Amino acid sequence: AQSVTQPDIHITVSEGASLELRCNYSYGATPYLFWYVQSPGQGLQLLLKYFSGDTLVQGIKGFEAEFKRSQSSFNLRKPSVHWSDAAEYFCAVNSGGYQKVTFGTGTKLQVIP
Amino acid sequence: NAGVTQTPKFQVLKTGQSMTLQCAQDMNHNSMYWYRQDPGMGLRLIYYSASEGTTDKGEVPNGYNVSRLNKREFSLRLESAAPSQTSVYFCASSVLAGGPGDEQFFGPGTRLTVL
Repeated sequence: AQSVTQPDIHITVSEGASLELRCNYSYGATPYLFWYVQSPGQGLQLLLKYFSGDTLVQGIKGFEAEFKRSQSSFNLRKPSVHWSDAAEYFCAVNSGGYQKVTFGTGTKLQVIP
Repeated sequence: NAGVTQTPKFQVLKTGQSMTLQCAQDMNHNSMYWYRQDPGMGLRLIYYSASEGTTDKGEVPNGYNVSRLNKREFSLRLESAAPSQTSVYFCASSVLAGGPGDEQFFGPGTRLTVL
């Protein structure tokens, strides 16, 4: 069965610092990978997704993620964090089909001045 | 476009009461979903509807029923609420019929407390 692990429950970074959120997945073949962001009191919004091809994927709001098959990872990065990036971030994997989307438990990002 | 809308935003129930959570989307999407979000658990799929007229169980369907009223609307019903159903409920929709690359569009959520 597929699974997604986000090892960091909570991360605090200073505004302007770089950010990396970790995501590891477990699935036999190459999965479809997603990062979603949830601002306080809001639903989830897609940041980016990976299916195949270039392993470095660009998303909205200046985020990018890199797929590393050898490490079964799909880490999310941003070079310079803004206060408005404070939110909860979810990694998700889809091995195919309606009920095949598995979400990670989320990483809550706090940004300090 | 309003996207995905959910009502109500907040609800408090007593054990044993029933209620229906409403969801509507105006993006002409085929597929719709109900999730629950609990601390430390991520999102778990309750039910989904691949297309108008069809519904199927997800990971945690017990205690819930759904109705795909038409292409726009997908409701979730709790027949006899239990404290274990205290959660935040999200409705989502996607364009394609089960394509693994589908982006899901989420509503703002309903925060339900069962006493």
